[in-house]
Amino acid sequence: DVQVTQSPSSLSASVGDRVTITCRTSQDVENFLNWFQQKPGEAPRLLISDASTLEAGLPSRFSGSGSGTDFTFTISSLQPEDFATYFCQQTHHFPISFGQGTRLDIK
Amino acid sequence: QVHLQESGPGLVKPSETLSLTCTVSGASVRSGSYYWTWIRQSPGMRLEWIGLIDDSGITNYNPSLLSRVTISADTSDNRVSLRLTSVTSADTAVYYCARVRPVGGNFRFDSWGPGSLVSVSA
Repeated sequence: DVQVTQSPSSLSASVGDRVTITCRTSQDVENFLNWFQQKPGEAPRLLISDASTLEAGLPSRFSGSGSGTDFTFTISSLQPEDFATYFCQQTHHFPISFGQGTRLDIK
Repeated sequence: QVHLQESGPGLVKPSETLSLTCTVSGASVRSGSYYWTWIRQSPGMRLEWIGLIDDSGITNYNPSLLSRVTISADTSDNRVSLRLTSVTSADTAVYYCARVRPVGGNFRFDSWGPGSLVSVSA
């Protein structure tokens, strides 16, 4: 199975900050890497697919990059509504697997 | 706009069978454009993919659950069902159904239900 490791596990930041989360997979997943946002009590929401494709209607402050085994997710300027948990997911190899999540808190 | 809603018992006894239904509106479960999947999330734990069913009714399951899980699609009611047998406390989780958009080899989980909490306890 493909192991998906995110770092950091938690992160404190302020409104307006630039934050970056990394995701590493134990096998090459090409660009089949997706990013989700989850707020407490809610289902995850797909933000980015194929490592860098932003879902329609979402703000451009969200971006992703990478391929192979190393990926990054960036929020260019944090907004109050961005404080949440973020997950990466690989879909290149079955079973599909998720990272453990990065909790983004207000500093 | 697609809408998914999970439903089923919130409490299941150990060794019994967990059965959940995902009612889909705004899309057909036999649409050639979408697959359907189940994911679960234990308290404080990462998301675990359970399995999916494609537009032909072919399933793919997580090997960790393969011996206990069945996913099916009912076109008459436009529902996707999950059945997990011989449950233990380790199966206590929030269970989500989601729509999958297969694009160029990637599987985009692009719409999710709100989730259904299932507790396993005597």
